[in-house]
Amino acid sequence: DGGITQSPKYLFRKEGQNVTLSCEQNLNHDAMYWYRQDPGQGLRLIYYSQIVNDFQKGDIAEGYSVSREKKESFPLTVTSAQKNPTAFYLCASSRGMINIQYFGAGTRLSVL
Amino acid sequence: GQQLNQSPQSMFIQEGEDVSMNCTSSSIFNTWLWYKQDPGEGPVLLIALYKAGELTSNGRLTAQFGITRKDSFLNISASIPSDVGIYFCAGHSKETSGSRLTFGEGTQLTVNP
Repeated sequence: DGGITQSPKYLFRKEGQNVTLSCEQNLNHDAMYWYRQDPGQGLRLIYYSQIVNDFQKGDIAEGYSVSREKKESFPLTVTSAQKNPTAFYLCASSRGMINIQYFGAGTRLSVL
Repeated sequence: GQQLNQSPQSMFIQEGEDVSMNCTSSSIFNTWLWYKQDPGEGPVLLIALYKAGELTSNGRLTAQFGITRKDSFLNISASIPSDVGIYFCAGHSKETSGSRLTFGEGTQLTVNP
């Protein structure tokens, strides 16, 4: 089935540790996105990538890093510089001029 | 930057009631999208609108693209318990935001059986 796969579903981070969230899509979409969602709040854009080997900062990029080495994959690293990483992280992808974004099931990150 | 005001923030209704929610923008959009998010899951696209004045239905859901291109409405008729979730609007303007979407803050819907 075509879709967006995020893993793991739940992730725990220790103090000072970097963790990487995986996002893979088999929709042949060009653009991919990472959002952060806090309880009772909307979606805030962390990073996005419109083509392979290129990405742009969103509204809350500090403490995060990404790479886009393959069209299908857009991993997000939550670095130790992100002091409040506990949140629900959503990956999305889109194709074409009309920007309909399709979302994965999310990864919930908690701090130990 | 662009902002979307989505209202209401939350709604508590009885099963069978109709629901209305809306989004207004400070700027013009070319596309309006409505998503639903179930607890612990990613948002799922409900309806996409591409033209000012457009009215589109998807089962019990109906959405409209406002004539001014600065607002959109979503109506749910005869609500059922599985309608519970968070509903998000999103707007897109390629000229002003490239491939980025602007999201509303969401409407939390609770349906009492």
